[in-house]
Parts: sequence; structure tokens; C-alpha cells
Amino acid sequence: GDSVTQMEGPVTLSEEAFLTINCTYTATGYPSLFWYVQYPGEGLQLLLKATKADDKGSNKGFEATYRKETTSFHLEKGSVQVSDSAVYFCALINRQGGKLIFGQGTELSVKP
Amino acid sequence: GAGVSQSPSNKVTEKGKDVELRCDPISGHTALYWYRQSLGQGLEFLIYFQGNSAPDKSGLPSDRFSAERTGGSVSTLTIQRTQQEDSAVYLCASSIGVEHEQYFGPGTRLTVT
Repeated sequence: GDSVTQMEGPVTLSEEAFLTINCTYTATGYPSLFWYVQYPGEGLQLLLKATKADDKGSNKGFEATYRKETTSFHLEKGSVQVSDSAVYFCALINRQGGKLIFGQGTELSVKP
Repeated sequence: GAGVSQSPSNKVTEKGKDVELRCDPISGHTALYWYRQSLGQGLEFLIYFQGNSAPDKSGLPSDRFSAERTGGSVSTLTIQRTQQEDSAVYLCASSIGVEHEQYFGPGTRLTVT
């Protein structure tokens, strides 16, 4: 079945460091890919999305590119802030639609 | 506009009691989803609705769990004879269509004592 694998956390970075959170997927067909973020004590928020190969999703300085050849959707940010501390979830929806399939989440902690 | 809303925000119940959790989707969103988030299991899909019908209810853990949606809007998730392992945050999401991004509500934290 379809699945998403994320790099394990927690990830601890200093402010202004470069961030990469790896995400790879297994899916039949051509899924849509998403990153969601969950700030402490809050609900899940959509961070960015990409719906086809080579699409780049971006929001709030975060970027991720849909790489079909490597079945990956890695999240990157050039300079993280303390306010980026959260849990990040990679997810997919296959073309039949319906449920989001989530990775296990990666906790990011940014220190001043 | 208004986002997805869920009620109650917190629910504490005794083992064996029934509970009802409510979800109000974003207006105009035809698809509605229920997920569960717990420490050991991460984010688990439970069921989704397209309109008032449920094409996929494969994630419901047992027959103690049921859900309905009326008028293509509000949905209720019911858990009968609650068990301690049902303790989790129950999340509802909605989307404009089944292939589109889903927007989540704040969740209902259920604690079974």
C-alpha cells in the first residue's frame, strides 16, 4: 500500500541554520504531496503542496520539490527561526483521492 | 472565512460510556475526513465522506466506532462503550474535493478514565 517515510527526529538547530527534513514516498500512480505543520498546542496547518512531478511548493520561506525519479519531497528552509519550532508531517493523497497518508512526523526545535 | 470547527475541545469520559464528537466543515467543502492522533500511532485515518456517503471507512478501529454526515455538512463521530485505548485527539478535516488539500480543525482531545 501507499506509504510515507520521514527522517526521524527530533532535529535541533540553531537560529539561522539551514533546514532539510527528508521525506520519501511509495505510491501507485501520481499522488499529490503535502507538508503539514503542527505548532505546540495547535492543530495541523497546511504548509505547502505539489501536485505533479517537478512542481515546487513554497510558503513562509519553506520549499519542497516533487521528485518523481527519487520519490521524494524533502522540506527545506534557508534560515530557520525559533518560531519554526514545531512538528512537520509529510503526506500524500493518491489520485483516487480520499485519505491523507502521513509520515510519522519530525519534531524540529530551533534554539536562539 | 470560518475554518473547520470541532466540539467539544476536550472530553473526559468514564470507560464504558458513549461519546459523540462533532465536526463543522468549511462551508462549501464536499469532502469531510476523520483522523485520530495518538502518541503511539501517529496520525491515523478513520473515515471520509463525500457528500453524505462514506466511500472509505476502512480506518474505523472496531464496530464501536461509527460516523454520519447529514445535509452534506455537519458530521458526528460516535464511540460506543469507550475503552482507555480510545484516548487520543480526534481530528476532522474538510476539502473542496477528494483530491484537494485538506484543512484541519483544532481537534477534540478525548480522555477515557
